[in-house]
Amino acid sequence: EAQVTQNPRYLITVTGKKLTVTCSQNMNHEYMSWYRQDPGLGLRQIYYSMNVEVTDKGDVPEGYKVSRKEKRNFPLILESPSPNQTSLYFCASSRGGSSYNEQFFGPGTRLTVL
Amino acid sequence: KNQVEQSPQSLIILEGKNCTLQCNYTVSPFSNLRWYKQDTGRGPVSLTIMTFSENTKSNGRYTATLDADTKQSSLHITASQLSDSASYICVVSDGYNKLIFGAGTRLAVHP
Repeated sequence: EAQVTQNPRYLITVTGKKLTVTCSQNMNHEYMSWYRQDPGLGLRQIYYSMNVEVTDKGDVPEGYKVSRKEKRNFPLILESPSPNQTSLYFCASSRGGSSYNEQFFGPGTRLTVL
Repeated sequence: KNQVEQSPQSLIILEGKNCTLQCNYTVSPFSNLRWYKQDTGRGPVSLTIMTFSENTKSNGRYTATLDADTKQSSLHITASQLSDSASYICVVSDGYNKLIFGAGTRLAVHP
């Protein structure tokens, strides 16, 4: 089944404790992206990757890191999480970076930083 | 500033009834507009995409309209079902492949 998977689905952590949220897609997509979704706001892009070893900042990159060593994986790293990073996170992938390409989203990771 | 505004924020209808969700945008230049459906606890799933030259596009009981002159789009749901309960997100792309997301309309269909 073609899909985007994220792990973990739920995470409660404390301020300053480094964490990684994994994202993997099995559709051979070149483009991958991370978003955060907060109540009353639209999805906001954190980082995106046009291809392996190519990453770029989105609209809200502060406090996050990413890497794209393999085509299928695009982990999101929070080096020192803070309470304002409590949010619902989505990974997405698409065939390419054109907006005409449909993005396929993962199931989401709900992160709480205490 | 590029913005996408959706209304209403939330809506409750009875099963079998029709409803219309609105999306107004101030994105320039305009490339395309996409509607997503997001079930609770799931990621968004694309329903339809519309370009500048398209006025109407249907996907089953979902019909999207686009008026590029007034910069408005609507999503009409016909004969609603309980499974239509979800958030509906309007996303507009500018000419540089940047996506601007609306905050969504939360629809609840009651039996």
